[in-house]
Amino acid sequence: DADVTQTPRNRITKTGKRIMLECSQTKGHDRMYWYRQDPGLGLRLIYYSFDVKDINKGEISDGYSVSRQAQAKFSLSLESAIPNQTALYFCATSDLADNEQFFGPGTRLTVL
Amino acid sequence: QKEVEQDPGPLSVPEGAIVSLNCTYSNSAFQYFMWYRQYSRKGPELLMYTYSSGNKEDGRFTAQVDKSSKYISLFIRDSQPSDSATYLCAMRGTGNTPLVFGKGTRLSVIA
Repeated sequence: DADVTQTPRNRITKTGKRIMLECSQTKGHDRMYWYRQDPGLGLRLIYYSFDVKDINKGEISDGYSVSRQAQAKFSLSLESAIPNQTALYFCATSDLADNEQFFGPGTRLTVL
Repeated sequence: QKEVEQDPGPLSVPEGAIVSLNCTYSNSAFQYFMWYRQYSRKGPELLMYTYSSGNKEDGRFTAQVDKSSKYISLFIRDSQPSDSATYLCAMRGTGNTPLVFGKGTRLSVIA
C-alpha cells in the first residue's frame, strides 16, 4: 500500500461548491503539507502542519482552509470553489529532519 | 523577483547526452538544497539532497551547490529515455522553514 494516499484522485465541481481533499499517511511523520501545481508555476505551498496542534499558512492560503484531524490525516478544504483553483493538488509528509518530503499521487481538481 | 528561478524548458536531448539543469536563488539564508524528479501523472520524488556548498554524486547524477553565486546545478551523465521527467529544484533555510520549489524543467531524452 502507498505510504501517502490522497482522495479523491480526480474531481470535477462547480463554482461555489465546497470541496474537501483528504490526505492520509502511514509513514508516522509529524509534518504534513499541501501544495498546488499549475503549468508554468511549479509547486506552491498552501498550508503546512508540523504536528497535530500546529497549522501554518503557506504562500497561497487565501480561499483554502485545512484541518489536521490526527497525526496521519490532513485535509484541505475549498470553502467556495472558483475556476482559478483548478489545479493538481499534492499532499506531502516529512519527518522532523525534513530532508525529504514524500508526496502523494495528487488530486486533479477542475472547477467549472 | 521570485526566490527561486528555474528555466522551465522544455529540454530535449539525445540518449547518452550530458544534461545540465540549473536554478538560481536570491535568499542567502538557504542552506539545504534538493532536486526532485516528477514523472508524468506522479508526485515528485527526492533525487538528490545537499547541505550547504559542494558536490554530491550518486551514480549518473551529480548535484552542485555554489552558495557564493547562489546557483545550484544537477548533471545527468549518459542520459537515458527513463530520465524523461520534470526536475524541480527545492531549497530551504535552517530551522522550521518550508521548502521553496523552482518551477521545474521538463526533460525529454530521445532514444
